Amino acid sequence: AAGVIQSPRHLIKEKRETATLKCYPIPRHDTVYWYQQGPGQDPQFLISFYEKMQSDKGSIPDRFSAQQFSDYHSELNMSSLELGDSALYFCASSLESGRASEQFFGPGTRLTVL
Amino acid sequence: ELKVEQNPLFLSMQEGKNYTIYCNYSTTSDRLYWYRQDPGKSLESLFVLLSNGAVKQEGRLMASLDTKARLSTLHITAAVHDLSATYFCAVDFRNSGGYQKVTFGTGTKLQVIP
Repeated sequence: AAGVIQSPRHLIKEKRETATLKCYPIPRHDTVYWYQQGPGQDPQFLISFYEKMQSDKGSIPDRFSAQQFSDYHSELNMSSLELGDSALYFCASSLESGRASEQFFGPGTRLTVL
Repeated sequence: ELKVEQNPLFLSMQEGKNYTIYCNYSTTSDRLYWYRQDPGKSLESLFVLLSNGAVKQEGRLMASLDTKARLSTLHITAAVHDLSATYFCAVDFRNSGGYQKVTFGTGTKLQVIP
């Protein structure tokens, strides 16, 4: 079965640079979520999109922005990177109208800011 | 604000023993998920609990949900080394816009010792 795809899997950036993470949800899923997970931490919700509209916003810094495109893939744009942005970034997708609305997670992108 | 607490945070147990992980949450919800995460890896869905009294079992793991007590448990029977991982519960509720919002617990790091 198709799973959530994230790219790139690993990314190394310098401070103050920008980064773009991509997420391709499971086909026919209508909702995408972005999470940030620091070492030893639980996943922190950043932002979500339902049918290409922002549906919720969590602890996402103003330096970050995201959008969902017409093909339902989503991109997380991160600017003015800081050392503290180093983390594992997960994308998840779900079917909002489904009974369970269970989120399925992608493999993650490991971002290292030097 | 929804709070989801797990205990214990760390659990070291011997192979063959039984133990229970607890997940308490602070607001009404009738949907709860359990995930497993291996170090540096993504979150793998274990159980989806959709109603009060729901019980699901898979191998040596059994999850239950008591919505009145706002409590879910993950019971481990006759632990084996392969179960060593971090386990997260996640509670699903609707935000003010009616969209799904999932809040993760703090995680329980399980180490099974031979």
